[in-house]
Amino acid sequence: DQQVKQNSPSLSVQEGRISILNCDYTNSMFDYFLWYKKYPAEGPTFLISISSIKDKNEDGRFTVFLNKSAKHLSLHIVPSQPGDSAVYFCAARPIYGNKLVFGAGTILRVKS
Amino acid sequence: GAGVSQSPSNKVTEKGKDVELRCDPISGHTALYWYRQSLGQGLEFLIYFQGNSAPDKSGLPSDRFSAERTGGSVSTLTIQRTQQEDSAVYLCASRAGTGVPGELFFGEGSRLTVL
Repeated sequence: DQQVKQNSPSLSVQEGRISILNCDYTNSMFDYFLWYKKYPAEGPTFLISISSIKDKNEDGRFTVFLNKSAKHLSLHIVPSQPGDSAVYFCAARPIYGNKLVFGAGTILRVKS
Repeated sequence: GAGVSQSPSNKVTEKGKDVELRCDPISGHTALYWYRQSLGQGLEFLIYFQGNSAPDKSGLPSDRFSAERTGGSVSTLTIQRTQQEDSAVYLCASRAGTGVPGELFFGEGSRLTVL
């Protein structure tokens, strides 16, 4: 059973516009949610995270929103840049344990 | 280097052969993970080492898969009698005891192709 779901396999956005990547989870027993970014032939790298007690965390062009009642989080990138083109993975950390559960990823293409 | 190092970067093998994949984590990181990414799939957890504790092997897909971590540092993932469905990118990650909760530092992965 997929505990973390990214239902959009891909997203295409014009440079300068906002990119919104979505993630849903089914288990309430997560205390941190993280976004990772992956370029081809490289390992994923940490981008931004949010604690389950918060509803927003912002870091430069990147903002993560958490809606606990809907079990939904989203990553906003504003403004989008061509260098943001990558696969974005949503991940969740269980309250008990340190095994991150990852979604399937969303391919973001930012067109110049 | 300062990052997680994995070898080989690419491995092509014949069905039924054994393979070993190596991971050298960031120095001082106490936790080490193996994940794999099959084509079009997300990252699938395989195994987790934390210090001297018994590893969490709950993600290993079959008894053909095993892993060890020697001296609390380098880890080897072994796949015996490889099958075509084992073809994937195997990613190793390490985690520090401090810092952002849940932040993993990944290597570039070992791409395994089983013919």
